[in-house]
Amino acid sequence: GDSVTQMEGPVTLSEEAFLTINCTYTATGYPSLFWYVQYPGEGLQLLLKATKADDKGSNKGFEATYRKETTSFHLEKGSVQVSDSAVYFCALRRETSGSRLTFGEGTQLTVNP
Amino acid sequence: DGGITQSPKYLFRKEGQNVTLSCEQNLNHDAMYWYRQDPGQGLRLIYYSQIVNDFQKGDIAEGYSVSREKKESFPLTVTSAQKNPTAFYLCASTLDRASNQPQHFGDGTRLSIL
Repeated sequence: GDSVTQMEGPVTLSEEAFLTINCTYTATGYPSLFWYVQYPGEGLQLLLKATKADDKGSNKGFEATYRKETTSFHLEKGSVQVSDSAVYFCALRRETSGSRLTFGEGTQLTVNP
Repeated sequence: DGGITQSPKYLFRKEGQNVTLSCEQNLNHDAMYWYRQDPGQGLRLIYYSQIVNDFQKGDIAEGYSVSREKKESFPLTVTSAQKNPTAFYLCASTLDRASNQPQHFGDGTRLSIL
């Protein structure tokens, strides 16, 4: 079945540090890939997405590139801020599964001033 | 503004009691979902509905029930058969099953056992 694996957390960084959160997936066909962010006590918000190989999703300084050869969709940001502290979820949607999403375990990010 | 409203924000259940979590959306979305979130386990799909009067079990449906009598509403009942109901429950919706549009989420309901 489909699965998404994220790097283990929690991740703690200082402000302005470089961020990478790894995400790899297992799925048949050509899934769409997503990163969602969850701030404390809230639901999930879409951060960025990519729908085909080599696409780069970007938003609010975050980027992720759909790498089919390595089945990966790593999240990066060049300079994190305290306000980026949240839980980040990688997810996939397989084209034959309707609009169902499969989520990774989530990675807690804490950015210290 | 359009969005998804979940209520209540906090809910407590006594032993042997059924409780119902509300999810309402005014986005005119066809598809709606219920997820359960436990620490360190990500989100797991409980039930989903692609259209009114139809729904399917997700990966962890045992001990839960749903209905979809109206397009905008998708309530989730946590029954007494669910032995470990303490979790954060999230409702989501998307335009339709064929769409590549992202899912929109509510702010969640935190359920605890008294």
